[in-house]
Amino acid sequence: SQQGEEDPQALSIQEGENATMNCSYKTSINNLQWYRQNSGRGLVHLILIRSNEREKHSGRLRVTLDTSKKSSSLLITASRAADTASYFCATVQSGNTPLVFGKGTRLSVIA
Amino acid sequence: NAGVMQNPRHLVRRRGQEARLRCSPMKGHSHVYWYRQLPEEGLKFMVYLQKENIIDESGMPKERFSAEFPKEGPSILRIQQVVRGDSAAYFCASSPNSQVNTEAFFGQGTRLTVV
Repeated sequence: SQQGEEDPQALSIQEGENATMNCSYKTSINNLQWYRQNSGRGLVHLILIRSNEREKHSGRLRVTLDTSKKSSSLLITASRAADTASYFCATVQSGNTPLVFGKGTRLSVIA
Repeated sequence: NAGVMQNPRHLVRRRGQEARLRCSPMKGHSHVYWYRQLPEEGLKFMVYLQKENIIDESGMPKERFSAEFPKEGPSILRIQQVVRGDSAAYFCASSPNSQVNTEAFFGQGTRLTVV
């Protein structure tokens, strides 16, 4: 079953603007991860945030995690056309449980 | 260090045939995960394997699907007697240990088309 649900399903912005994507999940987690998928390609890991962390940065990416609300957000600052892709959040509950993915947000950055 | 290698990239099978999808994990990775993705959908977990062991197959259909990760060689996802509904992209991911600790590295996927 899907654990994470991303919002919005699709997002279109102009180059240079910021893009914010949200993810909600249902059960307690050990960590939450964000991945990017370019059309027709495999997934690329972006960032991992553990349940005891609230915020993480990586380059132009900023991820927040609110375990009380069971939600996370991914912010991409100063977007570029090359950021056009689908973005997925995935959660790991514990132990040997695998990543459980949401349906993703399709981001289009218009030059 | 080559990434996760999946082959073939594209596979066309007629209904009733068998499909064998291969995944070679990254060097040093002993954990392999198979996922299925339908168009415009997220990835659905199928099976989690370590060398010679199936750890979690809760996402695998009970019939026609099987997976293995032998001591030597790639992991194989096998679909017997394929049907049109099996058409999807199948992704393999590997990690050095369980995903509770680390990211997963994905292959480019195998796109299965059943005609």
